[in-house]
Amino acid sequence: KQEVTQIPAALSVPEGENLVLNCSFTDSAIYNLQWFRQDPGKGLTSLLLIQSSQREQTSGRLNASLDKSSGRSTLYIAASQPGDSATYLCAVRDDKIIFGKGTRLHILP
Amino acid sequence: GAVVSQHPSRVICKSGTSVKIECRSLDFQATTMFWYRQFPKKSLMLMATSNEGSKATYEQGVEKDKFLINHASLTLSTLTVTSAHPEDSSFYICSARDRSGRAHNEQFFGPGTRLTVL
Repeated sequence: KQEVTQIPAALSVPEGENLVLNCSFTDSAIYNLQWFRQDPGKGLTSLLLIQSSQREQTSGRLNASLDKSSGRSTLYIAASQPGDSATYLCAVRDDKIIFGKGTRLHILP
Repeated sequence: GAVVSQHPSRVICKSGTSVKIECRSLDFQATTMFWYRQFPKKSLMLMATSNEGSKATYEQGVEKDKFLINHASLTLSTLTVTSAHPEDSSFYICSARDRSGRAHNEQFFGPGTRLTVL
């Protein structure tokens, strides 16, 4: 049974710092891995989607990597801003999409 | 880009009533739609997979008679919470998979529906 774990559960960093969010999954037989952002009480915003054949994707200040063999992904946020404060969810897809519990990120002004 | 809408975005109802939530794919056809539930400060949990023209597949622990799913067309799936109780209060999110195969069968998520049962 696929399980997705995100570490840390919560993170507070000063504005301007670079940071890394971690995601691990137990079954490497995935189609893709996706990172989402969720603001309080809101729906999901897709940030980056990495296909199983890819190793990373970049969008602006965000970079996501995927190491399928080790069951790990990281989301790198460069030059963090207060507007980046949100919960970041990692999700893997095999025949279903399984979500991690998320990392609550707080960027301190 | 692919857009999924949900209606209503927020609903408050009395205990014992039924509530219907709609999920629509606006610019693509989806043979498969998914319904998720998210309790406060918890992750999204898949409730059921909705297939157009056939019965939904429910995850373990989800009561199919309580959460009725209908996927009558390639662009619409509905979730009806029957005889709602306060413990059903949650954030319900749907997603749809593009049947055309573009975007590698990526799932697109709706904005969610906040259900509060008094």
